[in-house]
Amino acid sequence: KNEVEQSPQNLTAQEGEFITINCSYSVGISALHWLQQHPGGGIVSLFMLSSGKKKHGRLIATINIQEKHSSLHITASHPRDSAVYICAGETSGSRLTFGEGTQLTVNP
Amino acid sequence: DTAVSQTPKYLVTQMGNDKSIKCEQNLGHDTMYWYKQDSKKFLKIMFSYNNKELIINETVPNRFSPKSPDKAHLNLHINSLELGDSAVYFCASSWSIAGVPYEQYFGPGTRLTVT
Repeated sequence: KNEVEQSPQNLTAQEGEFITINCSYSVGISALHWLQQHPGGGIVSLFMLSSGKKKHGRLIATINIQEKHSSLHITASHPRDSAVYICAGETSGSRLTFGEGTQLTVNP
Repeated sequence: DTAVSQTPKYLVTQMGNDKSIKCEQNLGHDTMYWYKQDSKKFLKIMFSYNNKELIINETVPNRFSPKSPDKAHLNLHINSLELGDSAVYFCASSWSIAGVPYEQYFGPGTRLTVT
């Protein structure tokens, strides 16, 4: 069992839909990272959070430390949001443990 | 200006060869990382260097040897390549202060194919 679990593995949505991707972790972490991997392969950091909620444009990330759970929300989804979204827990020494990723496809 | 760059982008080589992948960051960060992404797209940490000092060394075959000539560069040398080494290797960098998490910046990846 991976220390960081994501769900769903695959998600297909229609343009404009509200999307939620969930991440649960079983170890103590200092921060939770959300990453986006484009179809071309590049990886971009979306959020890093230790508590509460962060918002950037149409993206919102939340974390509940007590429940060891984080969510990534995308409002008004668009086909250009299609990518793999990866959550990663950071432990000591800046070590990242990754989830398996969620493949998101947004259809026009 | 590319923040974290890797060369080469693609590397095709035969089993048994020795190859190197280079990584450079111009962000002034003090910590650099190597990650491996397997065929199932799962990412895993391999190594981490802070100010040229090795701080994370996961269970990686000793055929893999990282080298950090200065804090802006972290190279990965692989000896006696095996089929199972085929993967995408990502370099990343960040700041690192004890107890303070920082965002990591990733390079574009190097797709290694061993035939």
